[in-house]
Amino acid sequence: DAGITQSPRHKVTETGTPVTLRCHQTENHRYMYWYRQDPGHGLRLIHYSYGVKDTDKGEVSDGYSVSRSKTEDFLLTLESATSSQTSVYFCAISHGLAAPYEQYFGPGTRLTVT
Amino acid sequence: EDQVTQSPEALRLQEGESSSLNCSYTVSGLRGLFWYRQDPGKGPEFLFTLYSAGEEKEKERLKATLTKKESFLHITAPKPEDSATYLCAGGGAQKLVFGQGTRLTINP
Repeated sequence: DAGITQSPRHKVTETGTPVTLRCHQTENHRYMYWYRQDPGHGLRLIHYSYGVKDTDKGEVSDGYSVSRSKTEDFLLTLESATSSQTSVYFCAISHGLAAPYEQYFGPGTRLTVT
Repeated sequence: EDQVTQSPEALRLQEGESSSLNCSYTVSGLRGLFWYRQDPGKGPEFLFTLYSAGEEKEKERLKATLTKKESFLHITAPKPEDSATYLCAGGGAQKLVFGQGTRLTINP
């Protein structure tokens, strides 16, 4: 177990409402990531962080924002949820710029936007 | 553009029937090739990292190999508990690009 928790684990929300997903790690890893996983698309990177207050966009960042005010927490916010954001969201962590480069994943959050 | 392609999309085997999963990659500045296992409703579980062509790693019935263009995940005498989706990813120091996975089913 990589010491990663995600909350909530399941959420149903309505179109147009804001949603925040939380990722918490106990490993003190520098890098944290948010992915979404959809049938036919695999895992796609939304945003990532390489330190407190340091974040960058991934390939599917439109409609999402992130914040990292503490090493252990990485928040993903959907400012105004849309049905296309219905997905399973995974958080991951890694050491960063030095080997090993592998990422370790949390249990996921299933988000449904109605 | 960085790309990782896995084949086949799905594979059904009988218990004990060995086979291989393929992962083709074009990733600039590749630092590692990664294999994960994902069970339904769970997050991907890290299996292996391969850093250079010719490298091999083993874990129980699984062996991963790497060439300059492909990686293979060999499954020897699989058991029903090996049923899962296997994901391949290639990446640099900061980001990974994932393939779409191979859904493996082992029938008893």
